[in-house]
Amino acid sequence: DAGVTQSPTHLIKTRGQQVTLRCSPISGHKSVSWYQQVLGQGPQFIFQYYEKEERGRGNFPDRFSARQFPNYSSELNVNALLLGDSALYLCASSVMTGGTEAFFGQGTRLTVV
Amino acid sequence: GQQLNQSPQSMFIQEGEDVSMNCTSSSIFNTWLWYKQEPGEGPVLLIALYKAGELTSNGRLTAQFGITRKDSFLNISASIPSDVGIYFCAGDNYGQNFVFGPGTRLSVLP
Repeated sequence: DAGVTQSPTHLIKTRGQQVTLRCSPISGHKSVSWYQQVLGQGPQFIFQYYEKEERGRGNFPDRFSARQFPNYSSELNVNALLLGDSALYLCASSVMTGGTEAFFGQGTRLTVV
Repeated sequence: GQQLNQSPQSMFIQEGEDVSMNCTSSSIFNTWLWYKQEPGEGPVLLIALYKAGELTSNGRLTAQFGITRKDSFLNISASIPSDVGIYFCAGDNYGQNFVFGPGTRLSVLP
């Protein structure tokens, strides 16, 4: 069975640009969460989606948005990129919400120059 | 907001030694997860704990859910070079997300 897949694996963008990151959860999992991991720190929660609805949002500006599609895949969008948005963006897949095991993809390394 | 502390921040051990690391919080959690992350990769789930006092093993790894529900411990027995990485704890309190600790960086010397 395929695990969580994210695309692209690496991305370089210029300040002010917009970026879209994609995630496909494990088959049968209906919840997708997005995390930002800055070098040297643990992952920080951005969004959780379950059954195509937003179920949680972390302390990130409105430049960050996400959505979940009927096939449970998800996109994370970041507008007006800042240098500080450079990070590893991780997608986690769970069967449902509420403290169930979360399985991560390999991440998308975003570099903003 | 909720925060997790992990100790030690980093550790250097000899191959074959046992390792202990812990995670503490000022908040109660209902689920604890332990992950290992290697450079350039996403975190890999090692052990999940769902009940206070629970002790769970996965091969050479053993983790415990503290009875106060504010801490958790991970032990690795007979370490090997491939144990190198950063170990993260994560706690959930029936919320929408997991809160991660800053990680414990493990180095294994041959």
